[in-house]
Amino acid sequence: AQTVTQSQPEMSVQEAETVTLSCTYDTSESDYYLFWYKQPPSRQMILVIRQEAYKQQNATENRFSVNFQKAAKSFSLKISDSQLGDAAMYFCAYRSRSNFNKFYFGSGTKLNVKP
Amino acid sequence: SAVISQKPSRDICQRGTSLTIQCQVDSQVTMMFWYRQQPGQSLTLIATANQGSEATYESGFVIDKFPISRPNLTFSTLTVSNMSPEDSSIYLCSFRLAGAPEQYFGPGTRLTVT
Repeated sequence: AQTVTQSQPEMSVQEAETVTLSCTYDTSESDYYLFWYKQPPSRQMILVIRQEAYKQQNATENRFSVNFQKAAKSFSLKISDSQLGDAAMYFCAYRSRSNFNKFYFGSGTKLNVKP
Repeated sequence: SAVISQKPSRDICQRGTSLTIQCQVDSQVTMMFWYRQQPGQSLTLIATANQGSEATYESGFVIDKFPISRPNLTFSTLTVSNMSPEDSSIYLCSFRLAGAPEQYFGPGTRLTVT
């Protein structure tokens, strides 16, 4: 079965600074999707960014970007110009392209943003 | 994207009782999902609910404990039956739009069993 590992249970960043959250995954498949979700203290999970494995170009959404290293099975999230509203739990998730109903989530990284 | 809501947002229940959680989407969606998130932990899929058929349960979850209904393309319910303190968790519903790879999540129901 696929596994997703987030090795940083908690991280802190100063407001306006840059932080990188790490995620590694294990799969034997070649085609899949990777996601970063944000869960603020209000609880609703929000999709931050998505990466298709067949695309070599790293996905970017405003201040959020990923470093996707397919061979290394690594998928890190970089948050630039951190804001107080970025404080949340961040979950990395994997989905096979063929099994579109099964998501595998990492254990999460709690991000603290210091003013 | 569609808007998804859950009711109740939180509840405190007595051991041995049951609670039904409702999930409403403002668009018609084929697949809906129910997750459990225990305090400080990640999400665990309970079951996948397809309209017009029985829900498909993940290993460790059974229909008698977590019956699910999916009467139409915009609505689903999850019942947590014969509750014990170990059932205290956040329960999340989600959906996937046809052709889209990601899931969208509801705001969750925080359940405390005493």
